[in-house]
Amino acid sequence: EIVMTQSPATLSVSPGERATLSCRASQSVSSNLAWYQQKPGQAPRLLIYGASTRATGIPARFSGSGSGTEFTLTISSLQSEDFAVYYCQQYNNWPLTFGQGTKLEIK
Amino acid sequence: QVTLRESGPALVKPTQTLTLTCTFSGFSLSTSGMCVSWIRQPPGKALEWLALIDWDDDKYYSTSLKTRLTISKDTSKNQVVLTMTNMDPVDTATYYCARIRGGRGFDYWGQGTLVTVSS
Repeated sequence: EIVMTQSPATLSVSPGERATLSCRASQSVSSNLAWYQQKPGQAPRLLIYGASTRATGIPARFSGSGSGTEFTLTISSLQSEDFAVYYCQQYNNWPLTFGQGTKLEIK
Repeated sequence: QVTLRESGPALVKPTQTLTLTCTFSGFSLSTSGMCVSWIRQPPGKALEWLALIDWDDDKYYSTSLKTRLTISKDTSKNQVVLTMTNMDPVDTATYYCARIRGGRGFDYWGQGTLVTVSS
């Protein structure tokens, strides 16, 4: 089973600043990686798939990069609505696996 | 418009079997590449993938839960059903169903249903 490790667990950033979230896979997942945003009481929302492709309707301030085992989600200029928990997920191998999440909080 | 909705009991007793139904619209599970999955989230914790069924009726399960899970579909009713046997309080969670197609991630999710396991 591929273990997805996200860092940091909590990230404190001021509005308008850049946020960089990391996700590491225990073995290569090629580019078969997705990022999700989850706000309290809501279902997750797909942000990025294929490691770097924005899902429909996702603002350009969200970008994904990486391949193999190292991935990054960057939010270029944080808006108030971006403070949430973010999960990465690999879909290269069975079973599918999620990371433990990074909580992005207001500094 | 794609929608998914989970339904099932809010409360189950330990050792009972849980049956959840995902009713969806706006797509067909007989379309090549289309899949529906179940994911759960214990209160305050991370997402955990449980099971997936694809358009060809292939089924995939969480390694740690595979002996307790069964996923099935009724294409004519646009439903996917998940059963989980021998429920325990640690299985208390919000259970989501979600669509995934063509390796593009889970692009549509239901609102989730909270299942509490307690005697």
